[in-house]
Amino acid sequence: EVQLVESGGGLIQPGGSLRLSCAASGFSVSNNYMSWVRQAPGKGLEWVSGIYSGSSRHNADSVKGRFTISRDNSKNTLYLQMNSLRAEDTAVYYCARLMGLRPDYQYYMDVWGKGTTVTVSS
Amino acid sequence: SYVLTQPPSVSVAPGKTASITCGGNNIGSKSVHWYQQKPGQAPVLIIYSDNHRPSGIPDRFSGSNSGNTATLTVSWVEAGDEADYYCQVWDSSSEHSVVFGGGTKLTVL
Repeated sequence: EVQLVESGGGLIQPGGSLRLSCAASGFSVSNNYMSWVRQAPGKGLEWVSGIYSGSSRHNADSVKGRFTISRDNSKNTLYLQMNSLRAEDTAVYYCARLMGLRPDYQYYMDVWGKGTTVTVSS
Repeated sequence: SYVLTQPPSVSVAPGKTASITCGGNNIGSKSVHWYQQKPGQAPVLIIYSDNHRPSGIPDRFSGSNSGNTATLTVSWVEAGDEADYYCQVWDSSSEHSVVFGGGTKLTVL
């Protein structure tokens, strides 16, 4: 069964760091585009970060310079290292697999984890 | 960066048809994807590439895309369809590759 399971969320003080993990099963993270999406309380979905072919990575402006996406192929796990956390980073964080179709590969998220909650507060 | 605009809310009576729009500049040239999210749950893909349904999604859900507007149509609406719906495109012209609409709350009266 294709599945994603996030972990690592919790309560953290402003300025602190946290690393989220997303364990994949049923497919390989190394062969897929992967992404993190977050949802602040009562708000919509916000794309946070993506890791694409090879080492190509992109972040939303709101997290640029603070968050880093990575993957460990041996553990089949996606990560999100979050530094200099702010109150506005409080959200449920989802990892998702990106899928695209030939010929133009307009990617969409076909597999989602259940999410992990990050609360930034003193 | 590319912007997608959705109405905040849509209401419909059971058994009727609901249409949720997603506006964007020349969105008809892109592939639009739709997600359903119920309270406390992760989003679920319900339409990909404008009008394709993943396995297990009822054919009551359909999509279209032309010009500056994409539309998600829910036919024969049921109480269980009450949820938030998000459209999404892949914007390869910028680093903000995944773009979501603001979401639409579908209320079943």
